[in-house]
Amino acid sequence: DQQVKQNSPSLSVQEGRISILNCDYTNSMFDYFLWYKKYPAEGPTFLISISSIKDKNEDGRFTVFLNKSAKHLSLHIVPSQPGDSAVYFCAASVDFGNEKLTFGTGTRLTIIP
Amino acid sequence: DAMVIQNPRYQVTQFGKPVTLSCSQTLNHNVMYWYQQKSSQAPKLLFHYYDKDFNNEADTPDNFQSRRPNTSFCFLDIRSPGLGDAAMYLCATSRETGPGVNEQFFGPGTRLTVL
Repeated sequence: DQQVKQNSPSLSVQEGRISILNCDYTNSMFDYFLWYKKYPAEGPTFLISISSIKDKNEDGRFTVFLNKSAKHLSLHIVPSQPGDSAVYFCAASVDFGNEKLTFGTGTRLTIIP
Repeated sequence: DAMVIQNPRYQVTQFGKPVTLSCSQTLNHNVMYWYQQKSSQAPKLLFHYYDKDFNNEADTPDNFQSRRPNTSFCFLDIRSPGLGDAAMYLCATSRETGPGVNEQFFGPGTRLTVL
């Protein structure tokens, strides 16, 4: 039972354009969401998070949007850069962040120069 | 640089032969986690330690055990590896647990092959 779903295994975007990565969840108890970025041969690194009391969180080129009614969140990267090419994992937890993260399967983003 | 280190990066073992994976951290974090990630699947939490307190996930097989002898080190022991245990094993740490402090720092992983 996959509670966090990333339905697009891969995405290709032209350099300079906007990248939009999507994530859906089924567990209504989730109230804290994170995005991790993973380069080959490295572990995932934290990128940005959002609490369910917000619907948007922005950090430089990265913005996460949360639509609680649709149980959907998205990560926007603008403008996209070649260094953004990586696998992006969506993760969720309850209690506004506790020790248990439930991950999605990841989306491989490729930025085309 | 403070970091999470996993050794070895690649481990090959035989069916049924016990194997130990190692994780160390220089972040002085209280919490250490072990995840299993099979090909094209999401990382799945196996268990975690808060300091010396061990917390097992309900669906983690008994075949998987863990030890944390001190703050810096945590080991994953697979007592009798089966072919289905071939996966990437990720170690992670966090400073604390609780609201707003759930950023986890990951090591590069150990890829386990079972022959």
